[in-house]
Parts: sequence; structure tokens; C-alpha cells
Amino acid sequence: DTGVSQNPRHKITKRGQNVTFRCDPISEHNRLYWYRQTLGQGPEFLTYFQNEAQLEKSRLLSDRFSAERPKGSFSTLEIQRTEQGDSAMYLCASSRGGGRSTDTQYFGPGTRLTVL
Amino acid sequence: AQSVTQLGSHVSVSEGALVLLRCNYSSSVPPYLFWYVQYPNQGLQLLLKYTSAATLVKGINGFEAEFKKSETSFHLTKPSAHMSDAAEYFCAVSDESSGGYQKVTFGTGTKLQVIP
Repeated sequence: DTGVSQNPRHKITKRGQNVTFRCDPISEHNRLYWYRQTLGQGPEFLTYFQNEAQLEKSRLLSDRFSAERPKGSFSTLEIQRTEQGDSAMYLCASSRGGGRSTDTQYFGPGTRLTVL
Repeated sequence: AQSVTQLGSHVSVSEGALVLLRCNYSSSVPPYLFWYVQYPNQGLQLLLKYTSAATLVKGINGFEAEFKKSETSFHLTKPSAHMSDAAEYFCAVSDESSGGYQKVTFGTGTKLQVIP
């Protein structure tokens, strides 16, 4: 169990540029989540995948955001035409499913995005 | 809708003193409750979780939390603070979502400062 990994850890970009983040979940976990965390706040849910299917998206996920999990393993989160308000920590989590008592989410280290 | 409220955005304790971080929840169904810890520029690490078994839950690093239904509380404690406990702590509640996964809602966090 190597844990959830995310790359890059930090990203600085100019407003209007596109950025893409990657998340590699724990290998046996079929559920994957993306969250956004702004300063002074707890993580807020963005989207959820079960295997390769994106089953839920938050209203926070505007049209400029897109997430994929093409083979049910790693996932990418892309932000197009970045805005300064997109500056945040983007966290990925994974879980194994299997029922409420076992479906605990484990988090990666996050990608901190700064939009200048 | 489920929610958690963390009382006190900042808590300071002396090294060796009792740590008490407060969390109250609101949930329409029996809750599953969690405490996560986040060190600077890191992701969230699970400290402990309550899943309707024992009301006193022991976690890692000497932390424990007690579920009190009558008070709708899930406060986190540690008998003796260590310098390495300085971090931000998040209380969270989960519920079964319409998408079949555990929808986790986080509090706004409590930053713990340990004074030597």
C-alpha cells in the first residue's frame, strides 16, 4: 500500500492558461474523489469516480473543469482558462467501497495551484 | 443535510497539556464521523473514525474521540500534547449519497499550536 500520490505538488500559472493535475489512487481502490481546499476552509467535494465512470459532479465544478479516469486507475483534473479564483489546494482521495463501514477515504498530498 | 461545526479555529496548548478539539455534528441519519490531521502543505491523514461500534474511538498518535449522541458531539482529545501535534485538524461526517458513495462533509478546521 503505497498511498495516494499526486503530481505535481505545486503549480504556478498565469491567468488564462490551462493546467492538468494527476492522481494515482491506492491500487485496489475503485473509488476516486477530487476535492478543492481554499485557505482557512475544509476540503470541498468536486467529483467522484467509480472505476472509470464519473458518477457525480459538484456545482463547484464549472465548465472550465474536466476530470477523467480513462482506465479506472489514475485520474486527471484539467482546468481550462484558469482564473485567480482557482488558486487552491486540489486534493485527491480514494476508497475501496464495499459498504459504509469500510468505505473510508484516504487522501493524497495535494497539488497547490497558484494563478497569477 | 449533514454538517459539522468545529468550535475554535485556533487552539493553543502547552507541551504536555491536555488537547481538546471540539466538533459538533448534524445528521439526519446515524452518522459516521472522522477526524483528519493536515500538516502544512500536506494532504489529510486519517486519525480515527466512528462507525457506530464503540463510542470511544482510539486513533493514531495517542488521540481518541468520544461519540456522544445526546450532545451531538465528537470531540478529539489527547492527554499530553507533543510539539509534533502542531497541525490543522478537521472533523468530518459522512452519509450515503444518491451516487452510492460516502459523501464526506468537512468542518472548517482547527489549527493546533503547541507551546514549548
